[in-house]
Amino acid sequence: AQSVTQPDIHITVSEGASLELRCNYSYGATPYLFWYVQSPGQGLQLLLKYFSGDTLVQGIKGFEAEFKRSQSSFNLRKPSVHWSDAAEYFCAVVILTGGGNKLTFGTGTQLKVEL
Amino acid sequence: NAGVTQTPKFQVLKTGQSMTLQCAQDMNHNSMYWYRQDPGMGLRLIYYSASEGTTDKGEVPNGYNVSRLNKREFSLRLESAAPSQTSVYFCASSDMGTATYEQYFGPGTRLTVT
Repeated sequence: AQSVTQPDIHITVSEGASLELRCNYSYGATPYLFWYVQSPGQGLQLLLKYFSGDTLVQGIKGFEAEFKRSQSSFNLRKPSVHWSDAAEYFCAVVILTGGGNKLTFGTGTQLKVEL
Repeated sequence: NAGVTQTPKFQVLKTGQSMTLQCAQDMNHNSMYWYRQDPGMGLRLIYYSASEGTTDKGEVPNGYNVSRLNKREFSLRLESAAPSQTSVYFCASSDMGTATYEQYFGPGTRLTVT
């Protein structure tokens, strides 16, 4: 069955430090992958997505992610974290069905930023 | 362009009560979804509607019913609420026609069942 794993439940980084959030997927075909961010009390906002082509994708707010098929990974990175990046981050994979597309989410990584 | 809207934002129910969560989108999307979010479990799909007139079960459908009222609106009903249904509920929509598969989320409804 398709699944998404985010191994880190909580991560704390200092403001200005670099960030990498891990995501591993299990999917038989070429995956369509997403990273979403959820600020406290808010809905989910799309950060970036990968469908095909260049394996390094750029997103909003200075985030990027790299698709590595050999490692079944789609890790999210940011060179310099800002205090406003504190939020929960979700990796997701699309499952294509004849009746529609469904997202399977990881369990999320809570990011804390220390000033 | 409001995107995806949900009502109410907050609700407290007693065990056994019923209620309907409302969702509407103004992006002319074909597909709509209901998720629940629980701590440490990410978002889990309850029901989805690939297009107007169709609905299908997701990962955790027990205790819920849905209605795709028209292309814009997709409601979620709890017939007899249970404490296990205490959660944050999110509605989402997507446009199958563009094949981008991106889903747009509403702000959520925080439900407490006592």
